Amino acid sequence: GQQLNQSPQSMFIQEGEDVSMNCTSSSIFNTWLWYKQEPGEGPVLLIALYKAGELTSNGRLTAQFGITRKDSFLNISASIPSDVGIYFCAGRGTYKYIFGTGTRLKVLA
Amino acid sequence: NAGVTQTPKFQVLKTGQSMTLQCAQDMNHNSMYWYRQDPGMGLRLIYYSASEGTTDKGEVPNGYNVSRLNKREFSLRLESAAPSQTSVYFCASTRGLAGVQETQYFGPGTRLLVL
Repeated sequence: GQQLNQSPQSMFIQEGEDVSMNCTSSSIFNTWLWYKQEPGEGPVLLIALYKAGELTSNGRLTAQFGITRKDSFLNISASIPSDVGIYFCAGRGTYKYIFGTGTRLKVLA
Repeated sequence: NAGVTQTPKFQVLKTGQSMTLQCAQDMNHNSMYWYRQDPGMGLRLIYYSASEGTTDKGEVPNGYNVSRLNKREFSLRLESAAPSQTSVYFCASTRGLAGVQETQYFGPGTRLLVL
């Protein structure tokens, strides 16, 4: 099925470092959502983007809706151990959401 | 305000058994969705309901049926479970008008093992 290309697939970083991840698609989306999922839990919404070029922050998290409407980026500044988890992007097409395969983040204290 | 709730949290079935996964939301959302999540596959849409009284197939509907019982509840039924249906199932509901300032919220998931 159709899926987004999300990269990197996984990353180890030191506490205090900044993190960047992105999603790209061959399709244009009207909405981009970013989620975090921890083991045994459902995805929790972090940031929602609705307009090309939009830049939105939620605490140490910042996400951008790409100008082409085919990509989105998520940055985490000054990472802390509790940032560990899997981060998913989701793009909304005509009638449904398409999900990335996730970026697994591990933070080394 | 509990958000999206799912029952059961965990279930083991034998091949051929049937079961219904329950989902309810208390946010007055119109649209509800069922996804399955498998390792390395991300989330895949099984069925969705854009509004009360309507349901539509998603990407992987085979082997499943759904019922939108009312605005709050959306159930997923496995009539004859198969090992390939071993997965984590998530229900979600969506706030906002279709395509306009929409935001999707997920339940905690049901972990299903089919032996």
